[in-house]
Amino acid sequence: NAGVMQNPRHLVRRRGQEARLRCSPMKGHSHVYWYRQLPEEGLKFMVYLQKENIIDESGMPKERFSAEFPKEGPSILRIQQVVRGDSAAYFCASSPTGRGEQFFGPGTRLTVL
Amino acid sequence: AQSVTQLDSQVPVFEEAPVELRCNYSSSVSVYLFWYVQYPNQGLQLLLKYLSGSTLVKGINGFEAEFNKSQTSFHLRKPSVHISDTAEYFCAVSDMYSGGGADGLTFGKGTHLIIQP
Repeated sequence: NAGVMQNPRHLVRRRGQEARLRCSPMKGHSHVYWYRQLPEEGLKFMVYLQKENIIDESGMPKERFSAEFPKEGPSILRIQQVVRGDSAAYFCASSPTGRGEQFFGPGTRLTVL
Repeated sequence: AQSVTQLDSQVPVFEEAPVELRCNYSSSVSVYLFWYVQYPNQGLQLLLKYLSGSTLVKGINGFEAEFNKSQTSFHLRKPSVHISDTAEYFCAVSDMYSGGGADGLTFGKGTHLIIQP
């Protein structure tokens, strides 16, 4: 059973460009979470999605950030018009029940030049 | 709202010595508790979890943790560490009654465990 997959592992963007981060949950998991990790800090919750629904986006910045988890395909975290402060590691996690343990992917390290 | 405090940002320990990484949390409801380990440039791997039952929880790689409800703590311990244990360790909580982990996990800022030969 493959783990949570994220791609790309590393992404470099110039200020003003768009960044698209993809996450494929573990097989059988329909609950997906996105977290952001800034240097020297722990992970901060961004958004929780189930198939085709955003359940909780209380941790998402109000502008430029969006997330989706379509019926088919991976979950996408989209950052429009990136700025240097968006440079961070973005982790996706999945869960079979939406409660308890979450399984994490390897992360996407975004660098904004 | 929940919060997690990891009091030590860095813990240096000699190889084969015991170690304790401290974690305290605050929450108005019952919680699930987790310890994750992160090796450099990698994702998080679950070490152990407390969902219910025995307050002493055993995890992978010889780690264990004890849930203390009265002190709202979930300290991580290992009786004898190895060089390979050098990593960042994160304590995390989730609301047991949020109806699906709606708030996600709340993480501490992490403790960097440094094993000295």
